[in-house]
Amino acid sequence: QVQLQESGPGLVKPSQTLSLTCSVSGGSISSGGYFWSWIRQCPGKGLEWIGYIYHNGDTYYNPSLQSLVTISVDTSKNRFSLKVNSVTAADTATYFCARSGGPFYGMDVWGLGTTVTVSS
Amino acid sequence: QSVLTQPPSASGTPGQRVTISCSGSSSNIGINTVNWYQHLPGTAPKLLITSDNERPSGVPDRFSASKSGTSASLAISGLQSEDEGDYYCAAWDDSLNGYVFATGTKVTVL
Repeated sequence: QVQLQESGPGLVKPSQTLSLTCSVSGGSISSGGYFWSWIRQCPGKGLEWIGYIYHNGDTYYNPSLQSLVTISVDTSKNRFSLKVNSVTAADTATYFCARSGGPFYGMDVWGLGTTVTVSS
Repeated sequence: QSVLTQPPSASGTPGQRVTISCSGSSSNIGINTVNWYQHLPGTAPKLLITSDNERPSGVPDRFSASKSGTSASLAISGLQSEDEGDYYCAAWDDSLNGYVFATGTKVTVL
């Protein structure tokens, strides 16, 4: 079955760029039919959708984060990535990647999450 | 804050039925399908309900959901200790042009 795994640095300095990758195994992003998402949970807070990407590169972003966030896909490596620019302590969170059958559909496969701390 | 509202907490004793409400608007629940997620401590969130009331394969039938107008609800029957955790409703919002999670409900098994 499809499995997702997040990877990236656990510590990022304020004002720098946070970069995470989600590797997909057991299925191919390029086969289409699914949207690939990033979600985060800040300490003590609920889940927050960051954005989706489709295999052709089409993206949807959370309007409140859109100016600072970029999601990209590398079908040759079967992975997709998240960049958050100019991070602050408010970007400290556990970041999850997930898959859904469409923008309206539930996210049925999730990675275990990776914790990122923004601190100098 | 979220455009989807849930009560912050719910509780019950083992075997009881617990219901969680999710209130939205005409731009989200009113016109798009609702999904429910379970997030247990130290684990990845899990899709419990999709398309308003459909359980993905493997989800026990103790979990059920419904929707009416701009509100939805999740019911957990036969509450078990392993059900203790956070529950979120979510839906696409046409006004925001984005997917929104509610603030979440913490379920405690007494």
